[in-house]
Amino acid sequence: GAGVSQSPRYKVAKRGQDVALRCDPISGHVSLFWYQQALGQGPEFLTYFQNEAQLDKSGLPSDRFFAERPEGSVSTLKIQRTQQEDSAVYLCASSLATASYSNQPQHFGDGTRLSIL
Amino acid sequence: SQQGEEDPQALSIQEGENATMNCSYKTSINNLQWYRQNSGRGLVHLILIRSNEREKHSGRLRVTLDTSKKSSSLLITASRAADTASYFCATDFNQAGTALIFGKGTTLSVSS
Repeated sequence: GAGVSQSPRYKVAKRGQDVALRCDPISGHVSLFWYQQALGQGPEFLTYFQNEAQLDKSGLPSDRFFAERPEGSVSTLKIQRTQQEDSAVYLCASSLATASYSNQPQHFGDGTRLSIL
Repeated sequence: SQQGEEDPQALSIQEGENATMNCSYKTSINNLQWYRQNSGRGLVHLILIRSNEREKHSGRLRVTLDTSKKSSSLLITASRAADTASYFCATDFNQAGTALIFGKGTTLSVSS
């Protein structure tokens, strides 16, 4: 596609519900990143995929957060038993880079704004 | 945790004026990038400067990097209302090499 696509754009859930957020990266992009952005803050790293391999999940805040990219393209971020502190914008980014990722720009989607009531 | 700190947090200027934003970081880096984020949108890559570069230009953007002071600046010349956005610096994560670390951003408002 022309850019990184995320769905849904907005998600409202009740505390305790599970949610799934989808990311369609740019076709052919090897690397995929998930970030969490709180209001008024910069994005914070959650996890990184190189193709289908999840190489770094050190930023996931708890074991309620789970991400997958089974075929090396579309990725899903799942949050189980949501809490109010999970309310944030979840951004997905992709890049052509394999190694030395930081030599390549990351292309971001517009994010999913998650609100937990 | 956030590596970079932008300064100022907010900046309001008139169209045609120049806008300067600064970024300081804590650990050694390979590269530093600047991104722009319009309200409700994702981040857009503006420019990347490598640790062995001191200055880089792209259109109305000028970025400087001082590795001895662990700081960078972004200058937008002849600003336009469309430049209104939040600007973030991002540094690479040296250890695992799998993330960008963003600052809290500078919110720029350009009025006509």
